[in-house]
Amino acid sequence: KQEVTQIPAALSVPEGENLVLNCSFTDSAIYNLQWFRQDPGKGLTSLLLIQSSQREQTSGRLNASLDKSSGRSTLYIAASQPGDSATYLCAVRRFGAGTASKLTFGTGTRLQVTL
Amino acid sequence: GAGVSQSPRYKVAKRGQDVALRCDPISGHVSLFWYQQALGQGPEFLTYFQNEAQLDKSGLPSDRFFAERPEGSVSTLKIQRTQQEDSAVYLCASSLVLGTDYTEAFFGQGTRLTVV
Repeated sequence: KQEVTQIPAALSVPEGENLVLNCSFTDSAIYNLQWFRQDPGKGLTSLLLIQSSQREQTSGRLNASLDKSSGRSTLYIAASQPGDSATYLCAVRRFGAGTASKLTFGTGTRLQVTL
Repeated sequence: GAGVSQSPRYKVAKRGQDVALRCDPISGHVSLFWYQQALGQGPEFLTYFQNEAQLDKSGLPSDRFFAERPEGSVSTLKIQRTQQEDSAVYLCASSLVLGTDYTEAFFGQGTRLTVV
């Protein structure tokens, strides 16, 4: 059974700092990995999607890397801003069609960026 | 619509009451998922549809939970005889399937269910 762990559970940084969020998964037979952002009381907003054949994806100040063999992904946020404060979730999708396509989520990292 | 739409956004139910939660996926998205998110936790898989076919319902916690997608678009998650442990945010997601390629999943805003 796939298990996804995110470290740290919570993080507080001053504005402008670069930071790294970690995600690890136990089953390396994944199809893709997706990073989400969740604001309090809201749904999930997709940030980056990395296919299993890719090593990294970038969007603006965000960069996500994937090392499938070691079961790890990192989300790098450059020059953090107070608006980045949210919970960040990673989720992996297994190989296979149909039922295997469900996402397995970590418990998230709660980020607070202070002024 | 432009995104995944869920209704209602908030629902308060008395214990024992039946509730129905609606999900309207992105037009043309074949795959539809329901997830349950308890406070402070990541979403947990409930059930999955490909078009109107419910291919996986292994995550439904009990036979009080029932989901349907009769015409392959809108889906309804029904919970019968609600219990306090059913209190959670229920999230719906859809994605486009191209052959065996699954594109990214798009989530709705969720329905926050509180059972009192």
